Amino acid sequence: GAGVSQTPSNKVTEKGKYVELRCDPISGHTALYWYRQSLGQGPEFLIYFQGTGAADDSGLPNDRFFAVRPEGSVSTLKIQRTERGDSAVYLCASSLRIGGGIHEQFFGPGTRLTVL
Amino acid sequence: KQEVTQIPAALSVPEGENLVLNCSFTDSAIYNLQWFRQDPGKGLTSLLLIQSSQREQTSGRLNASLDKSSGRSTLYIAASQPGDSATYLCAVRAGGTSYGKLTFGQGTILTVHP
Repeated sequence: GAGVSQTPSNKVTEKGKYVELRCDPISGHTALYWYRQSLGQGPEFLIYFQGTGAADDSGLPNDRFFAVRPEGSVSTLKIQRTERGDSAVYLCASSLRIGGGIHEQFFGPGTRLTVL
Repeated sequence: KQEVTQIPAALSVPEGENLVLNCSFTDSAIYNLQWFRQDPGKGLTSLLLIQSSQREQTSGRLNASLDKSSGRSTLYIAASQPGDSATYLCAVRAGGTSYGKLTFGQGTILTVHP
């Protein structure tokens, strides 16, 4: 596609429910990143993938959060037993590769998650 | 741990003014620095990327400089327009084991009045 796409654009759920957020990166981009942005704050890093593997998941806040990228393209961020504090905009980005060269990150429009 | 600070938090100027947004970071061992624009309810649009070996980058009315040794970057916007109103975020990309992730500042909210 022309850019990074994320679905859904908005998700409202109840406390304790399970949610999945999807990211479709720019075609050919091997690196994929997830960030979380709370109101009035800059985005905070969650996890990034190089290909199918999670190269750095140090930003995941706890074990309720998990992300996969089984075929090295589309990624899904999964949140179990959602809490009201999980409410935020979840941003996905992709870049050409991790090592060497200029690898500008291109961001999607985000998924706004609201946990009631 | 890398920390990024942006000053001012908010800025309101009349149309036509030249303005400077500031970004500072605590760990100078960065790989590159990016400036982004974010419109309300939208994702991030990359404006400029400066590699650690570069001093500045220019795109149209935008000029970004980088002084890695002092941990500072500035974004200069010439002849501001109402359409420039947005939140501007700077982000640094670390080297080493944190290679891929960007660390963001909290942003500067810019309002340009007609």
